[in-house]
Amino acid sequence: GENVEQHPSTLSVQEGDSAVIKCTYSDSASNYFPWYKQELGKRPQLIIDIRSNVGEKKDQRIAVTLNKTAKHFSLHITETQPEDSAVYFCAASTDTNAGKSTFGDGTTLTVKP
Amino acid sequence: DTGVSQDPRHKITKRGQNVTFRCDPISEHNRLYWYRQTLGQGPEFLTYFQNEAQLEKSRLLSDRFSAERPKGSFSTLEIQRTEQGDSAMYLCASSPWGGGTGADTQYFGPGTRLTVL
Repeated sequence: GENVEQHPSTLSVQEGDSAVIKCTYSDSASNYFPWYKQELGKRPQLIIDIRSNVGEKKDQRIAVTLNKTAKHFSLHITETQPEDSAVYFCAASTDTNAGKSTFGDGTTLTVKP
Repeated sequence: DTGVSQDPRHKITKRGQNVTFRCDPISEHNRLYWYRQTLGQGPEFLTYFQNEAQLEKSRLLSDRFSAERPKGSFSTLEIQRTEQGDSAMYLCASSPWGGGTGADTQYFGPGTRLTVL
């Protein structure tokens, strides 16, 4: 089955700096890669996703890049703010496994004011 | 209907007791997923439904676990003879799977936190 590895497990940045979280996946058939933000005690919320037919997607301060050859994808957050502090999860899924997602173990991002 | 809802939000039970959780998906979503999340880990897939049909169960789901979605709307997850290792957050998600190619976005509920004493 699919295996998703996420790095780093913790990340601390100064407000205004950029943050990058990386994930690798094992199943070359995976074609959908969402990123979720989970604040303490709350549900995972989708912040951005990318499908395998594109290499990069951007939404304001958040961007995701995908390298299908290397089987890795990354989340980039620019101009970080204290409210970006949360746990971020990457996931991978494919049509052939019915869209169920395999998640990474999460990255705890702390943005220091 | 503004999102996926789950009930109860918290459940404390004694080992050996049975518990049942409920998930109400976004109304027009035909796919419903159950995940389990433990501290410091990402959600782990348990099972999913396409309308009322349960199409896949993870090996994580022992015989003590059963899930239903009788009318293709809400779903229940029951755990019989709970064990301390069952303590976790149980998350439900739904998606408007269109039947064609392309995985659809999953929207998560707030979860039910189970504590087995």
